[in-house]
Amino acid sequence: SQQGEEDPQALSIQEGENATMNCSYKTSINNLQWYRQNSGRGLVHLILIRSNEREKHSGRLRVTLDTSKKSSSLLITASRAADTASYFCATAGTASKLTFGTGTRLQVTL
Amino acid sequence: DTGVSQNPRHKITKRGQNVTFRCDPISEHNRLYWYRQTLGQGPEFLTYFQNEAQLEKSRLLSDRFSAERPKGSFSTLEIQRTEQGDSAMYLCASSLIDSINEKLFFGSGTQLSVL
Repeated sequence: SQQGEEDPQALSIQEGENATMNCSYKTSINNLQWYRQNSGRGLVHLILIRSNEREKHSGRLRVTLDTSKKSSSLLITASRAADTASYFCATAGTASKLTFGTGTRLQVTL
Repeated sequence: DTGVSQNPRHKITKRGQNVTFRCDPISEHNRLYWYRQTLGQGPEFLTYFQNEAQLEKSRLLSDRFSAERPKGSFSTLEIQRTEQGDSAMYLCASSLIDSINEKLFFGSGTQLSVL
């Protein structure tokens, strides 16, 4: 079963714009991770934020975490056509497995 | 290439047949995970190994599914008596355990189509 949901399910923006996607989850976590998946391929790890962190940056990525609201957001700044992909949040609790959300499909047009 | 390798990339089979998938993790990784993903959904956890020990199995993993990781290296996932509902992408991932903050490295998956 899915731990949470991403919002929106689909997002279409123009190159150069920022893209924001949100993730909500249900249970307490040790960390939250974001992954990217190009069509028909495996997932690639983007960024990890620990439960005691509130914000983290990596290049054009900015992740926030609000454990009181059980939510996270991923911001991609200055988007490029190559950012077109599905983006998933995944949570790690006390168990060792990652539980993934339902994903946001991002389309970046020229 | 030292990434996670999965074979075959695609498998088409008839209902009732058995299929086996293989995953070769990154060589120094001691954890190996299997996930299943259907169209438009996120990956769903199936099972994971630490070295050769299978430590957790999802309720999704019916008795028709079996996974092994002999010698703690490559892993196989077998589905017996396949059903149309088994059609999905089967993803393998590996990681090097390092406290609780571990990221997964995924293979490209095996796309199974059951006719």
